[in-house]
Amino acid sequence: EIVMTQSPATLSVSPGERATLSCRAGESVNSDLAWYQQRPGQAPRLLIYGASTGAKGIPARFSGSGSGTEFTLTISNLQSEDFAVYYCQQYNKWPRTFGQGTKVEIK
Amino acid sequence: EVQLVESGGGLVQPGGSLRLSCAASGFSFSSFRMSWVRQAPGKGLEWVATTKEDGSEKYYADSVKGRLTISRDNTKNSLDLQMNSLRVEDTALYYCVRGGWHPDNWGQGTLVTVSS
Repeated sequence: EIVMTQSPATLSVSPGERATLSCRAGESVNSDLAWYQQRPGQAPRLLIYGASTGAKGIPARFSGSGSGTEFTLTISNLQSEDFAVYYCQQYNKWPRTFGQGTKVEIK
Repeated sequence: EVQLVESGGGLVQPGGSLRLSCAASGFSFSSFRMSWVRQAPGKGLEWVATTKEDGSEKYYADSVKGRLTISRDNTKNSLDLQMNSLRVEDTALYYCVRGGWHPDNWGQGTLVTVSS
């Protein structure tokens, strides 16, 4: 299976600043990469698919980039509701696999 | 509005069985692949299984292959997960999700606890 590795495990950011999260795939997944946000006690929410396409209703401050094995999720102008755990997931091959998550916390 | 409502979770002993169900509404159920994703307490997400729109093909994580079976009933807009030979490591919140690539709708989950 394709191993997805996220870094850092925890990111401390001040409100209004920018957060940059990384995701690396163990082999190329082309652009078959999605990002999810999970707030405490809630189900995950799809943010980005196709590595860079925003899902329906997602604010423009969330952006994704990358292809092949290296991907980035950037959150600009962090709002209070953005402090959460973020997961990347590949859907290029079965089984689908997730990264272990990056927690974005208030600095 | 898309709604996915899971049920059937509970406490079961190792080696036991459980059947989860998901009631879907607000979209054309038969037009979408459907999947189960789980999350152990305090841990990350793990893809469990996916069924094609007509149920003709199914895909499983290696960790559940041969023990968990995904199925759907397009006449009832429902998705099931039959869980046999349960292990302690199957303890998790099980989410019903719409899609087989990048799920865009998730239920709130049903908790399965495997313990003696």
